[in-house]
Amino acid sequence: DIQLTQSPSSLSASVGDRVTITCRASQSIIFYLNWYQQRPGKAPNLLISAASSLQSGVPSRFSGSGSGTNFTLTISSLQPEDFATYYCQQNYNSLTWTFGQGTKVEIK
Amino acid sequence: QVQLVESGGGVVQPGRSLRLSCAASGFTFSKYGMHWVRQAPGKGLEWVAFIRYDGSNKSYGDSVKGRFTISRDTSKNTLYLQMNSLRAEDTAVYYCAKGNAPAPLTGRYFDYWGQGTLVTVSS
Repeated sequence: DIQLTQSPSSLSASVGDRVTITCRASQSIIFYLNWYQQRPGKAPNLLISAASSLQSGVPSRFSGSGSGTNFTLTISSLQPEDFATYYCQQNYNSLTWTFGQGTKVEIK
Repeated sequence: QVQLVESGGGVVQPGRSLRLSCAASGFTFSKYGMHWVRQAPGKGLEWVAFIRYDGSNKSYGDSVKGRFTISRDTSKNTLYLQMNSLRAEDTAVYYCAKGNAPAPLTGRYFDYWGQGTLVTVSS
């Protein structure tokens, strides 16, 4: 099974900071990597699909990049509403879907 | 707009059964694969089960295989999760999620989620 490892597990940042979260796959998943944001007590929300495709309605300060085994989610200028937990997710082959363990973005 | 509303959660004793439901609206239910995803208290997301748009194919996470059964009723636009032989480690919020791609594709991610229903397994 393909495993996803996110880093860091948590980070502290200030409003306006540039934030980068990494997701590494245990084998190549080409570009089949997606990112979700989850605010406390809420359901996850899809931010980016296929490594870099920003979903409709998601602010342009969010961006995704990468291919193969290494992927990144970048928030160019952190806003108060961005303090949340972020998950990567893959479905490269077979009928299984996998999430990373999550990265919690906290206020410094 | 797409709406997914889960129900059926509650407190159940270890070894017992529970059935979750997810009422779908705002899209053509019969054309999309559907999923259950869970989240234990304070933990990350775990994919649980998938059912193809026509019910012809199902898959499960290793931790629930053989105990949980996913199904759907197109006439009622409803997704189900039958959970048997429940364990304490099944305690979680269970989310219903829609697959992103229409039939005949499977879909590689989850584009809409319900609000979740809490299942607590405890004696």
